[in-house]
Amino acid sequence: DAKTTQPPSMDCAEGRAANLPCNHSTISGNEYVYWYRQIHSQGPQYIIHGLKNNETNEMASLIITEDRKSSTLILPHATLRDTAVYYCIVRVGGAAGNKLTFGGGTRVLVKP
Amino acid sequence: KAGVTQTPRYLIKTRGQQVTLSCSPISGHRSVSWYQQTPGQGLQFLFEYFSETQRNKGNFPGRFSGRQFSNSRSEMNVSTLELGDSALYLCASSLEPANHYEQYFGPGTRLTVT
Repeated sequence: DAKTTQPPSMDCAEGRAANLPCNHSTISGNEYVYWYRQIHSQGPQYIIHGLKNNETNEMASLIITEDRKSSTLILPHATLRDTAVYYCIVRVGGAAGNKLTFGGGTRVLVKP
Repeated sequence: KAGVTQTPRYLIKTRGQQVTLSCSPISGHRSVSWYQQTPGQGLQFLFEYFSETQRNKGNFPGRFSGRQFSNSRSEMNVSTLELGDSALYLCASSLEPANHYEQYFGPGTRLTVT
């Protein structure tokens, strides 16, 4: 599986955009980039995913570089409820396509 | 649409006992995966089921097993419980086992082994 590298923690001011980086330099052509977040002791929450193009939904935007070696999750207006651990996952295809390999994630603290 | 449900939410067992956890996927979802989360090891993949067949298995001992029923509901079983099995067990469902279908997680079952 392609490995991902994320900063262990970051702070963000409430109401400002939060930009969460992720490096995945060994990603292969058919591997998707997924983002999940986990609020303390709850199940991980799906945020967004993409293959090549930038994606946007009601929660966030995902910007993937042209060479696909890195991506950025953008929370446009962070709120205190966005405080969580955010996981960037590169998901392989084929028979192992439904397995999520979680790393350490980025612990995001939104401050008032 | 109802989300993934897991029962029970909390469980306390004694070493040596066995336990069965249940997961009901989102309606229409046919793939179910199980994960274990501990403070030391983080989130780790246990196994995945689709069409009542195990498709993938993580690096866990044979004491951990699972099954899926024809209605896509799944159970996992841990036999001969050890203290180290204390963890949050998470179930996730998706439409099909392909990497472009997102997985949705349930709230988890918190297992404590004493």
